[in-house]
Amino acid sequence: GQQLNQSPQSMFIQEGEDVSMNCTSSSIFNTWLWYKQDPGEGPVLLIALYKAGELTSNGRLTAQFGITRKDSFLNISASIPSDVGIYFCAGRHGGSQGNLIFGKGTKLSVKP
Amino acid sequence: KAGVTQTPRYLIKTRGQQVTLSCSPISGHRSVSWYQQTPGQGLQFLFEYFSETQRNKGNFPGRFSGRQFSNSRSEMNVSTLELGDSALYLCASSSRTNNYGYTFGSGTRLTVV
Repeated sequence: GQQLNQSPQSMFIQEGEDVSMNCTSSSIFNTWLWYKQDPGEGPVLLIALYKAGELTSNGRLTAQFGITRKDSFLNISASIPSDVGIYFCAGRHGGSQGNLIFGKGTKLSVKP
Repeated sequence: KAGVTQTPRYLIKTRGQQVTLSCSPISGHRSVSWYQQTPGQGLQFLFEYFSETQRNKGNFPGRFSGRQFSNSRSEMNVSTLELGDSALYLCASSSRTNNYGYTFGSGTRLTVV
């Protein structure tokens, strides 16, 4: 099925550094969501974006809905060890209905 | 408020058998979706239910089926299991109250041997 292009695939950074990851699609989405998944658990919703150009923060996390509706990015500032995990972007063509299409994930490792 | 509950957490089945997985959504959430997660394919959409009706279906064979009950609880069934069905099966619920951002359960880890 269709998937989003998420990059980078993995990142290994020092504690305190900022992190940036992004997702691109060949088709337009009306909703972008960012999730974090820890081993053995389901994805946890971090940020949801519903309008092109929207910039939303959740603590040290900031995400933006690209104005072309075909991309989104997630920034994490001042990373800490508990940020370790796999981050997924997901897009939805519908505003409130429809399935999510996921990126392959960005695996984040943080060195104390 | 209880989250999305999936049972069982782990399951080992033999090729050819069938399996039923259960999902209890967050109270008040009427939309339930199922996803399959594998290392190779990532997260793939299986189906979505709303008010006991299948609203959307992904590109999976007919061996994969589901249903939703009047209390919004959902089950998915996989018949004639194949080795490739080994995966983490995730259920997610959503509603207007959480702006339709899906909340996932912890998943059922199915291993087919």
